[in-house]
Amino acid sequence: GAGVSQSPSNKVTEKGKDVELRCDPISGHTALYWYRQSLGQGLEFLIYFQGNSAPDKSGLPSDRFSAERTGGSVSTLTIQRTQQEDSAVYLCASSLAGGGYSGNTIYFGEGSWLTVV
Amino acid sequence: SQQGEEDPQALSIQEGENATMNCSYKTSINNLQWYRQNSGRGLVHLILIRSNEREKHSGRLRVTLDTSKKSSSLLITASRAADTASYFCATRSGNTPLVFGKGTRLSVIA
Repeated sequence: GAGVSQSPSNKVTEKGKDVELRCDPISGHTALYWYRQSLGQGLEFLIYFQGNSAPDKSGLPSDRFSAERTGGSVSTLTIQRTQQEDSAVYLCASSLAGGGYSGNTIYFGEGSWLTVV
Repeated sequence: SQQGEEDPQALSIQEGENATMNCSYKTSINNLQWYRQNSGRGLVHLILIRSNEREKHSGRLRVTLDTSKKSSSLLITASRAADTASYFCATRSGNTPLVFGKGTRLSVIA
């Protein structure tokens, strides 16, 4: 597609349920990022995929959070046993290459707004 | 952890005035980028400045970088109501992904 596509755009779930958020990056982009943004706050890094390298999971807040990237393209962020503090916008981004001295522009999707009730 | 810290947290100006936002960071960087966010959704890349650059321009945007002070500024000249948004600086160091600050909320009043 022309840009980074995320789904669903909005999700309301009950506390304790599992949710999956999907990200379809720009074709050809090898780097993919997940960030979380709580209301009125900055972006919190969650996880970063670069090509076939092991992902950087250092930002995942707990073991309830996991992400995978299949075939170097689509990524799914899974939150198990959701809690109210998980309510936030989850933003996915992609770029041609990431890390190091790369100056490649990162393109963001419109985000998935998760509300846990 | 957050690397960049924007200042001020919120800024309100009249249309036609210039808006200046500042960003300070803590560790050495490869580059610093400014992003814009409307209504809490996707971010749009505005401009990137590398660590060996001191100033860059793009349209009505002017970015400066002072690596000795670990700070950057974003100047929007002749502001318009459509410039109302949140503006974030983001830094890249080594092989780490972009680290964002908390942003400055700019309101341009017509």
